[in-house]
Amino acid sequence: GAVVSQHPSWVICKSGTSVKIECRSLDFQATTMFWYRQFPKQSLMLMATSNEGSKATYEQGVEKDKFLINHASLTLSTLTVTSAHPEDSSFYICSAEPPGGGYGYTFGSGTRLTVV
Amino acid sequence: GENVEQHPSTLSVQEGDSAVIKCTYSDSASNYFPWYKQELGKRPQLIIDIRSNVGEKKDQRIAVTLNKTAKHFSLHITETQPEDSAVYFCAAMGYNQGGKLIFGQGTELSVKP
Repeated sequence: GAVVSQHPSWVICKSGTSVKIECRSLDFQATTMFWYRQFPKQSLMLMATSNEGSKATYEQGVEKDKFLINHASLTLSTLTVTSAHPEDSSFYICSAEPPGGGYGYTFGSGTRLTVV
Repeated sequence: GENVEQHPSTLSVQEGDSAVIKCTYSDSASNYFPWYKQELGKRPQLIIDIRSNVGEKKDQRIAVTLNKTAKHFSLHITETQPEDSAVYFCAAMGYNQGGKLIFGQGTELSVKP
């Protein structure tokens, strides 16, 4: 089945620095990817929709300038958390639309971000 | 936009008993309803899904039912086993919602041996 690879699996960074998270579709082309954030013991909250070759669409309340999304190729989407603060510490996870569209969305393995 | 409510937030059952988790959704245009199982620190894994043209779907010990009129759907796990312990999320997606999955709040299922 469709596989989505996400890196890094965990990262610790200092407050004020930026962190980049990569999400790759390994065996298919993903024109659309989704980025979620999950705080401990909470649900997955959709942050933005990443579209290859165009600007990302952000959900209400998500700061575009803080969470930069780039979908430069059909197999790679990146999320950069800029000027990270402790409150940005969370589990970030991507999801890709399956080949041919439709259903059965598959998730990356997630990135545990800790800002100190 | 779509809003998904999930209940209960925690559920504890004895091994061998059945477990039922319920979700309601708000957008009548939603037509796809997956269920995910997430173990601590790991990615959500799709366990079963149902489309709006079907009322029920079963896969071994897991079944999902959908009531479009009432806008609710449920996950049924029979003969529960300790390895079923995890957090379960329901989600909804609409044809005109750009492929976005909107998740419920999650249910922490604990199966006691």
